Parts: sequence; C-alpha cells; structure tokens
Amino acid sequence: DIVMTQSPLSLPVTPGEPASISCRSSQSLLDSNGYNYLAWYVQKPGQSPQLLIYLGSNRASGVPDRFSASGSGTDFTLKISRVEAEDVGVYYCMQPLQIPLTFGGGTKVEIK
Amino acid sequence: QVQLQQSGPGLVKPSQTLSLTCAISGDSVSSNSVTWNWIRQSPSRGLEWLGRTYHRSKWYNDYAVSVKSRISIDPDTSKNQFSLQLNSVTPEDTAVYYCGRRGAGAIDYWGQGTLVTVSS
Repeated sequence: DIVMTQSPLSLPVTPGEPASISCRSSQSLLDSNGYNYLAWYVQKPGQSPQLLIYLGSNRASGVPDRFSASGSGTDFTLKISRVEAEDVGVYYCMQPLQIPLTFGGGTKVEIK
Repeated sequence: QVQLQQSGPGLVKPSQTLSLTCAISGDSVSSNSVTWNWIRQSPSRGLEWLGRTYHRSKWYNDYAVSVKSRISIDPDTSKNQFSLQLNSVTPEDTAVYYCGRRGAGAIDYWGQGTLVTVSS
C-alpha cells in the first residue's frame, strides 16, 4: 500500500498570513500519462471531506484561488496564500493512483 | 450536480451485518468513467478506503484486504444506488461511513456520512 505522510500535525495560523502543508508518499504518484495522482481535501467539523485539489495542482470547482498546490512524484505541498477564518478544519492528502486508496493522517489548521 | 444520499441504521449489534445504501442523483451507477466507493473514518484508523464497485462493460469490485472476507459492495441499477454490507461486525467497526464517487483523479463527491456504532 502507498503510505501518505503529512506534516505538520497541527498548524496555528494568523488570519491574512500564508500557510503551507506538506504531503509525502511512499511511492511516486506520477503516472505515465504525466499526471500526479494526488488530491487535497478539507474536512470541517461535522462535515464530509470536501475536494480542494485534484491531479496534484488543479483546483476543484468553486475553490478560492488563495488555495494552490504543487509538487511531483513523492513530495507535494498545499498552500493557502492568505488564511481566512473559514479555512479552519482538517486537511488531508489522498492518493487515487493505486488500490487501496490511501489518505494522510491530516493537518489541523486553526486560528491563533 | 452529483448528489449522494446515504441511508441505513446507526446502531448494529456485534456479530451482525452492517448495511448501508448510497442513492445517486446526477450520475449513473452504470457509468463507464467513474467508480463508486465506500470509505470509513474513525479516530483510531483515520480515513480508510473499504472498497469499490464499477462498470466497464461488466461489473467489477475491489476490496481492502483488512475487510475482504467480510465485505460486499453491490450496485442496484433499478434504483441507481449502491450498497455496503459488512458482516460479523465488532466494536472496531464503529466509524463514520461515507460513500463517494471517484471521478477524474479524486473522490470528487461524498455522501453526508453515517455514524455506525457497533454495540449490544
């Protein structure tokens, strides 16, 4: 199975400041078609995970452009350019390249 | 707009069968370009993929090794839905269960989640 490792575990942020979350996979997520099979989600309290980013760097429909993602192979980063209060939640990375689909352990973003 | 609506009991007794259904609107369970998945979430295991069903000229299933001997995921084309059955449950199966559609490169739509507690 592909192991997904996120850091940090917790990320206190100041509104208006940037934030960055790292995700590493135990195997390359770069497929032969040139796409990185890495997705990012945010889960707010009491809600289902919500898709932010797919195929490594593509924002899902309706996701604000303050969210961006980069990386290739085994190292990926999610960035929030200017954190807003509504961005609090737990952020997860996930690989859909291989079965079983696997998720990172989550990064809790909270306001300082 | 795709919507997934989950239904099923929130309390199951140990050794019995957990059964959940995911009704699909805005897409077809028979679509040849997506897969239909069940995922669960618990404090001890985090987000754990359980299995999927999908149609590519015929029906296929894949299951997580951890539950392979106890799980069945089945499509119902007449109702445009798919179901999860997990047999011989124990308290370790207590979790929030989600259905989800795997589209291009991600689980792009999720059900609302069902907290299933295994307890006598």
